[in-house]
Amino acid sequence: TQLLEQSPQFLSIQEGENLTVYCNSSSVFSSLQWYRQEPGEGPVLLVTVVTGGEVKKLKRLTFQFGDARKDSSLHITAAQPGDTGLYLCAGNSGGSNYKLTFGKGTLLTVNP
Amino acid sequence: NAGVTQTPKFRVLKTGQSMTLLCAQDMNHEYMYWYRQDPGMGLRLIHYSVGEGTTAKGEVPDGYNVSRLKKQNFLLGLESAAPSQTSVYFCASGRGGLSLYNEQFFGPGTRLTVL
Repeated sequence: TQLLEQSPQFLSIQEGENLTVYCNSSSVFSSLQWYRQEPGEGPVLLVTVVTGGEVKKLKRLTFQFGDARKDSSLHITAAQPGDTGLYLCAGNSGGSNYKLTFGKGTLLTVNP
Repeated sequence: NAGVTQTPKFRVLKTGQSMTLLCAQDMNHEYMYWYRQDPGMGLRLIHYSVGEGTTAKGEVPDGYNVSRLKKQNFLLGLESAAPSQTSVYFCASGRGGLSLYNEQFFGPGTRLTVL
């Protein structure tokens, strides 16, 4: 069974601070996705990383896929209250298996 | 283009009652999924479908049934609701085999309480 461990589970910071959250596994994934879920809403896809070592930027968010494609990180620069939400990573093992393996998420609160 | 929609948004049931949750997508996606989300448990896959007329069991299928009679719709049924089925239910769709990455698009969720 493939597992994705996310850390930290909870993170509360002040507006303007930087932060990094992690998504780790002992399994290799063909691609990995990050979703953000706001309270009372469904998860929304932020980015997909595919190549080992790949770095993608989305405004103040930087996503990195580990060289071995077993882990990923999300770095937020100068966090804003609008960044508050649950950040989920999800791994795709590829092939004929089209189910995703989800981590349990990091709940981020950015205080004004 | 509404994406993925779910009805109802909220529902309260008594133990033993039945209900059906409806999911609809207008993106012509082949794959559809039903998840439940509980505190500390993350998203867990209940059932999924790889195309019209097909269904398959996910991680936690017991107590639920599904049907995919039309490509755009995926129904989740609870025949005899139990308090353990109190949860937030999310439907998702994706291009499946047509997408290298299996990106999924989620609906807004249904919050179900079973008393």
